Amino acid sequence: GAVVSQHPSWVICKSGTSVKIECRSLDFQATTMFWYRQFPKQSLMLMATSNEGSKATYEQGVEKDKFLINHASLTLSTLTVTSAHPEDSSFYICSASHPTDSGNTIYFGEGSWLTVV
Amino acid sequence: QKEVEQDPGPLSVPEGAIVSLNCTYSNSAFQYFMWYRQYSRKGPELLMYTYSSGNKEDGRFTAQVDKSSKYISLFIRDSQPSDSATYLCAMDSNYQLIWGAGTKLIIKP
Repeated sequence: GAVVSQHPSWVICKSGTSVKIECRSLDFQATTMFWYRQFPKQSLMLMATSNEGSKATYEQGVEKDKFLINHASLTLSTLTVTSAHPEDSSFYICSASHPTDSGNTIYFGEGSWLTVV
Repeated sequence: QKEVEQDPGPLSVPEGAIVSLNCTYSNSAFQYFMWYRQYSRKGPELLMYTYSSGNKEDGRFTAQVDKSSKYISLFIRDSQPSDSATYLCAMDSNYQLIWGAGTKLIIKP
């Protein structure tokens, strides 16, 4: 099946710094990628939808200046958490939309654990 | 009312039992139905996807869609402790993906 790779799988950063997370579709071109965050024991929360070559669409309540999303190519989207704070510590997951004849199948990356200290 | 309803559980069953996980939905425009499994501290893993009403089988897993009732199910036969995870349903209509809250499943040895 299709593979989506996310890097890094975990990262620790100091408060006030920025950290970038990469999401790559390895064997298909993804015109649309999604970014989620998940707090412990809660369901996935969609943060933004990223379309290649255009600005990301952010969900209500998600600060676009804090969570910078870039989808520069059909196989790569990046999420940059700027001026990170401890409350940004979470599990961040990306997914990529793989179009098929009967619809779109979404494949997920392995997720990235961010800890801000 | 949420567009997709899924009981968060936890659902605890003994090893070897048949497990039934369900989601209901309200939007008749949904066309594409998926089930994901998520182990703790891991990203969700696609288990099965279906497009039309009916059953789709893959090993011990069977996905069932009833569009007339707006109801989908995932059945797990001969459940194993390794099946213990959170199972999420997701539905797609024209690039809009809507998620259930996930059901936590515990298989007791």
